[in-house]
Amino acid sequence: DAGITQSPRHKVTETGTPVTLRCHQTENHRYMYWYRQDPGHGLRLIHYSYGVKDTDKGEVSDGYSVSRSKTEDFLLTLESATSSQTSVYFCAISYWGTGNYGYTFGSGTRLTVV
Amino acid sequence: AQTVTQSQPEMSVQEAETVTLSCTYDTSESDYYLFWYKQPPSRQMILVIRQEAYKQQNATENRFSVNFQKAAKSFSLKISDSQLGDAAMYFCAYIRGNNDMRFGAGTRLTVKP
Repeated sequence: DAGITQSPRHKVTETGTPVTLRCHQTENHRYMYWYRQDPGHGLRLIHYSYGVKDTDKGEVSDGYSVSRSKTEDFLLTLESATSSQTSVYFCAISYWGTGNYGYTFGSGTRLTVV
Repeated sequence: AQTVTQSQPEMSVQEAETVTLSCTYDTSESDYYLFWYKQPPSRQMILVIRQEAYKQQNATENRFSVNFQKAAKSFSLKISDSQLGDAAMYFCAYIRGNNDMRFGAGTRLTVKP
């Protein structure tokens, strides 16, 4: 198990407020990802990181920013939350080894913007 | 861009029976990886099975197996001897190298006792 923890697990916030979701990993993986899950869309990539201070945009990055100041922490920030950002957010790490490869996901954060 | 299509939003199977979930994908690459993930009501994403595109042999994991048809760009999941615990959302996913993983929209599987 890659030891990925997400916090908080649930959050309700008001429209227009800033929100930060945290992803923490314990195994020094280089690549980390933020996805959102919505019915009918599966999981879609928001942002990803390939190292400390190295990040890039994904498919649905508008309205989101990320930061990675330490290998183990990857933060997702909604600068001004909107109702369209109500979703379940997943953090993931990638791992690649002989016969053992893929993504491991955190347990997700359910965010509701009211 | 690579896309993954799961054409069955919902499927149902009787306990102990076999069910097949469909997945197709679009890519111009020859070297890539395919996955099936299970998401039970707990919301956790659980890896079910994975397949390297360069391997012709279909992957199997206990009651789970895939039918990988590279030319047809098809990657279906067969669940044999279905159990109540198999009820979940199933996602097909594609990845090439260090690019991001792309997901289908999911198939909700119901298992009837």
